[in-house]
Amino acid sequence: EAQVTQNPRYLITVTGKKLTVTCSQNMNHEYMSWYRQDPGLGLRQIYYSMNVEVTDKGDVPEGYKVSRKEKRNFPLILESPSPNQTSLYFCASSLSLGFSSYEQYFGPGTRLTVT
Amino acid sequence: AQSVTQLDSHVSVSEGTPVLLRCNYSSSYSPSLFWYVQHPNKGLQLLLKYTSAATLVKGINGFEAEFKKSETSFHLTKPSAHMSDAAEYFCVVSDPNFGNEKLTFGTGTRLTIIP
Repeated sequence: EAQVTQNPRYLITVTGKKLTVTCSQNMNHEYMSWYRQDPGLGLRQIYYSMNVEVTDKGDVPEGYKVSRKEKRNFPLILESPSPNQTSLYFCASSLSLGFSSYEQYFGPGTRLTVT
Repeated sequence: AQSVTQLDSHVSVSEGTPVLLRCNYSSSYSPSLFWYVQHPNKGLQLLLKYTSAATLVKGINGFEAEFKKSETSFHLTKPSAHMSDAAEYFCVVSDPNFGNEKLTFGTGTRLTIIP
């Protein structure tokens, strides 16, 4: 089954404790992206990757890191989480993101709480 | 610069009555436009997309949307609401800048269906 998986689905952590949220897709998609969803703000892009070893900042990259060592995986790293990073996070992938605007496939989400 | 405005944060309709979710956009290019749906505790799923073909776009589950360039609108409609339509809906505009066809999400409209 074609899908995007994220782990963990739920995470409660404390300020300053490094964490990683994994994202994996099995569709051989080139493009992957991370979003955060906050009430009243919709989804905002954190980072994206056009292909292996190619990553770039989205709209709200502060406090986050990513890597793309393999095509299928795109982990999101919070080196020193803070309470304002409490949010619902989504990973997404698509075949590419050129002018034809391929559909993005979303993971189920990771709800992160930082205390 | 591009932006998208969902005119209603919450819409309630009775089961069997029509649904209208409003979306206005701003884009300096010929945009691609999407509607995504998010059911409770789920990721986002593509309902339909407009990419400069027919202005009336049909999607899944009986939804459709009409692209009106003169009004910069892309409203989502359904003739008869079903209980399973209760969800949050996001209007999305795509700006084909080179390097990252950036997606901008609206803030969402929560649709409630009254039995």
